[in-house]
This record gives sequence, C-alpha cells and structure tokens, in this order.
Amino acid sequence: EVQLVQSGAELKKPGESLKISCQASGYTFTSSWIGWVRQVPGKGLEWLGIIYPADSGIKHGPSLQGRVTISADKSTSTAYLHWSSLEASDSGIYYCVRHLGRIQVGAIDVWGGGTTVTVSS
Amino acid sequence: EIVMTQSPATLSVSPGERATLSCRASQSVGINLAWYQHKPGQAPRLLIYGASTRATGIPARFSGSGSGTEFTLTISSLQSEDFALYYCQQYNNWPPYNFGQGTKLEIK
Repeated sequence: EVQLVQSGAELKKPGESLKISCQASGYTFTSSWIGWVRQVPGKGLEWLGIIYPADSGIKHGPSLQGRVTISADKSTSTAYLHWSSLEASDSGIYYCVRHLGRIQVGAIDVWGGGTTVTVSS
Repeated sequence: EIVMTQSPATLSVSPGERATLSCRASQSVGINLAWYQHKPGQAPRLLIYGASTRATGIPARFSGSGSGTEFTLTISSLQSEDFALYYCQQYNNWPPYNFGQGTKLEIK
C-alpha cells in the first residue's frame, strides 16, 4: 500500500525556521513526483510545488520562492518543506502529495494526512 | 498562470438526485484536469483524472466530462457520503498546477 506519513503539528513564532517531513512507502520513491499542497482554513487548496527525487528536479508555484524550499532524501524516502523565516500567513494544513506521471506530471493520486502549522506570536 | 473557476460555490441537492458541478479554465488545459473530493478532517481524495477517467475504487455514479476550458463532474444519484467539498485541478500548465476555489455540495 502506498503511504505518505507526515510529521506532527507545529506551533511556531514569526521569524523562526521550520522543516516538516513526509516519509513515503509502498512504491519506488525515485519514480514519482512528490510535493506539497496547502489548505488555509476557510479557503481552498493551494498547490505549492513538487520535486522529482531521482534528479532533484523541482517545479514550484509563486508561493514557494525565497524563504521556502522543497527537498528530498532518497536514502530515507523522505520529502521536506523548509522555511527559513516563518510568517503568520504561512499558517495552514500542509498535505504531502504524490503526482501520477513522470515526464508529464499528472493528477495527485496519493495524499498524506496533513501537517498543521500555526505561526503566532 | 491558468485560473480555474468552479461553479456554483454551493450546490444544494437532495439524496438520490443528480448533482452537476462545473469547472472552467482561463485557457485550454486539454484533458489534463482532475477532480477531488474533500471531507472535513480528512485528506482530499482523487475521483477523476484525464477529465473523464475514474480513479481506482471510485463508484460508477461519479463521472467527468469536458476538454479544453469547460469541464463537468456529475454524481448520478447522491449518497449521504457524497456531501463534501469538490475541487478541480489543472495539471497541463506549470507554474502552478492550480486548483479551483471549490464547490460545496450540501444536503437540500
């Protein structure tokens, strides 16, 4: 069974750094795009970005620039989302996702359980 | 950036009836369009990809149609477990692979 197991909820202050994780199992980690989708309470879903672990190729949206980065560790089949300096607007539920496809990115066929990030002073 | 627009924002339908949800793209995405179901406290679930292909384990009452800029998700006979939020997503043009803002399907 394909699974994406995410790290636990986080409560942080503005300006702090944070790294959340997503461990994949049940498939060959290097053969699929893996990444992150955010849900802001009361709002919809925002696609953030994905990484292809085999070559570390990255596709990201406008929200994932500068202080937010995606990475992956092939040795542990784990993807990460890292903030160098959190802002209150980063609060939300972050889902780890796997996309179908390889050369042509496809739909999201597997979702993790979500990691709640709360940034508050 | 492609903008995905879903309508209506909220749809009230009685159990057993048909529900029709719409999704429009600001430019053509071919058939690179997916539909997801999202219930409170759960992760979203893939229903349809390639505009009309049901994902594994999805009941036949869910069907998708359309191409280019206009897409439809139809639920033929609503069951109690179908009342949820529904999102469309395009994966034709990056960045980013945008979602629509969602349609809330509620019990009438």
